[in-house]
Amino acid sequence: NAGVMQNPRHLVRRRGQEARLRCSPMKGHSHVYWYRQLPEEGLKFMVYLQKENIIDESGMPKERFSAEFPKEGPSILRIQQVVRGDSAAYFCASSGQQETQYFGPGTRLLVL
Amino acid sequence: GIQVEQSPPDLILQEGANSTLRCNFSDSVNNLQWFHQNPWGQLINLFYIPSGTKQNGRLSATTVATERYSLLYISSSQTTDSGVYFCAFFSGAGSYQLTFGKGTKLSVIP
Repeated sequence: NAGVMQNPRHLVRRRGQEARLRCSPMKGHSHVYWYRQLPEEGLKFMVYLQKENIIDESGMPKERFSAEFPKEGPSILRIQQVVRGDSAAYFCASSGQQETQYFGPGTRLLVL
Repeated sequence: GIQVEQSPPDLILQEGANSTLRCNFSDSVNNLQWFHQNPWGQLINLFYIPSGTKQNGRLSATTVATERYSLLYISSSQTTDSGVYFCAFFSGAGSYQLTFGKGTKLSVIP
């Protein structure tokens, strides 16, 4: 399956710890998007990256959240000093040339 | 920003029944899509339907862009159709931020 891969699928952190979520796009895709889904809601855009560039991070919280998409390896969404309100499902999507976005299975983050 | 409303918010169907889900939006949108989020959380692309009608098996979708709505039809529903159905769109030309509705939660019971 050459789909979008995310890991881990589930992540439990205590308040104050760091969470690192990884996303490997579909083969041949160079555009990566991160979305967050709070319980009982639709997905909300967070950030759009291309290789080594953040194109749009307008949906990212100003503090504690960062994202990267290095030349080699997966895209990383990093949340520092997690709080309970960060508990959510985080989805990564990828596309080629800004066409249809294909989503990964998501990472469910639970902050205790 | 553009407002999107999905209806109904919840729907319970007997297996074999048909249903219509609706997505209304407050202004012109680009590249409307329908997704199914299954009970395990996986998001599956169903249709890319900026206008017109498409069919895929028991599912079909119609978008009337001039009247700012899209419909998703599910015929002969099966228990595997359960989950949440989202419409989503790009809010402007050149936009890449998908805006999602709140979804319709469908439960198909045997």
